[in-house]
Amino acid sequence: AQSVAQPEDQVNVAEGNPLTVKCTYSVSGNPYLFWYVQYPNRGLQFLLKYITGDNLVKGSYGFEAEFNKSQTSFHLKKPSALVSDSALYFCAVRDGRAAGNKLTFGGGTRVLVKP
Amino acid sequence: GAVVSQHPSWVICKSGTSVKIECRSLDFQATTMFWYRQFPKQSLMLMATSNEGSKATYEQGVEKDKFLINHASLTLSTLTVTSAHPEDSSFYICSATFGSGALQETQYFGPGTRLLVL
Repeated sequence: AQSVAQPEDQVNVAEGNPLTVKCTYSVSGNPYLFWYVQYPNRGLQFLLKYITGDNLVKGSYGFEAEFNKSQTSFHLKKPSALVSDSALYFCAVRDGRAAGNKLTFGGGTRVLVKP
Repeated sequence: GAVVSQHPSWVICKSGTSVKIECRSLDFQATTMFWYRQFPKQSLMLMATSNEGSKATYEQGVEKDKFLINHASLTLSTLTVTSAHPEDSSFYICSATFGSGALQETQYFGPGTRLLVL
């Protein structure tokens, strides 16, 4: 079984401030973790993923995420948020030991960056 | 690279009619395609997984006869909502993967199709 939780429905941050979007996961085997962003009435855009290797993963648009095995977390971060970062962010996980590559998505976190 | 398109982007239909949604990988051959459904302000719910030339694998609770999936080629998958009813109104999103190993793990999503059944 695999599941992912995004504890915050919405995150508000001022432009230029650091942005953090939280994600915790649960899998039986090896976690493969992903972050996607969705703009209104659009599909999801891939930001970054962790499969193996360095715990700190750098992705698109200046975003990064840190895989923390002991805390079963994969929080998304950006050092300096932009107004254009305002969107809906989804964390997703799959069990690397399971066949196929079905993802389980979190409920999403809406980010609002204020000028 | 890795662009996925969907057509149409919007569709409004009368109750009882069938609607076909196309998902295409424009610059790669898709190993697998996925169909999701998203309700307003909610997360994505996987409906089915399809591979070219084989029958789709549906998630529990998704009616196969209601949501017909045809994966005719490595670049095209279609979802047909048969005898649509207002409760089928939703945002339908497809995704596709390619390659092997770690590369295959990333799903690339289409822009979505919003279906409104009157």
